Amino acid sequence: DTAVSQTPKYLVTQMGNDKSIKCEQNLGHDTMYWYKQDSKKFLKIMFSYNNKELIINETVPNRFSPKSPDKAHLNLHINSLELGDSAVYFCASSHHRARVTFGSGTRLTVV
Amino acid sequence: GIQVEQSPPDLILQEGANSTLRCNFSDSVNNLQWFHQNPWGQLINLFYIPSGTKQNGRLSATTVATERYSLLYISSSQTTDSGVYFCAVVGNFGNEKLTFGTGTRLTIIP
Repeated sequence: DTAVSQTPKYLVTQMGNDKSIKCEQNLGHDTMYWYKQDSKKFLKIMFSYNNKELIINETVPNRFSPKSPDKAHLNLHINSLELGDSAVYFCASSHHRARVTFGSGTRLTVV
Repeated sequence: GIQVEQSPPDLILQEGANSTLRCNFSDSVNNLQWFHQNPWGQLINLFYIPSGTKQNGRLSATTVATERYSLLYISSSQTTDSGVYFCAVVGNFGNEKLTFGTGTRLTIIP
């Protein structure tokens, strides 16, 4: 299936831990994104990579670090997790920054 | 940055009814998309429509870029249409990020 796939789907972890979310797209897209959706359903971009180059870096704490080993992958590593990091994180991709396709999301719960 | 407002915030309709969702944006855009987030949380891209009109089955969308709004029409609603509908835009000025509106929550009652 052609898609944007992210793992894990659910992540429950304690405050202070470090965790990673992985994302892969097989659509041949050149741009990948991470979005955060809060409890009120508001979606906000965190990072965007075009051909492995960081092009958008919103005001995100530097505990969040994206890594793009190649055009098909964009992983998100989070250090020292805080309660306020609990949210749904979506990976997405597009070609030439046009129509965006989203992954199914990772629900992160920090306890 | 660009502001995106959607209306109404909530809409409850009987199955079979038609609906119109509106998206207003504060500046000129080169990219506008409509998404449906279903009750399971999946975000589905409905339309990429920076201008003009498109149709896909019971759904259609119109963007009037010069007047800074877009409309999403849903005809003959089905319960599977329930969820949150988001409009998202990229402004002509700025860092090319896709900015989302706050969404319209649509509930279709059988």
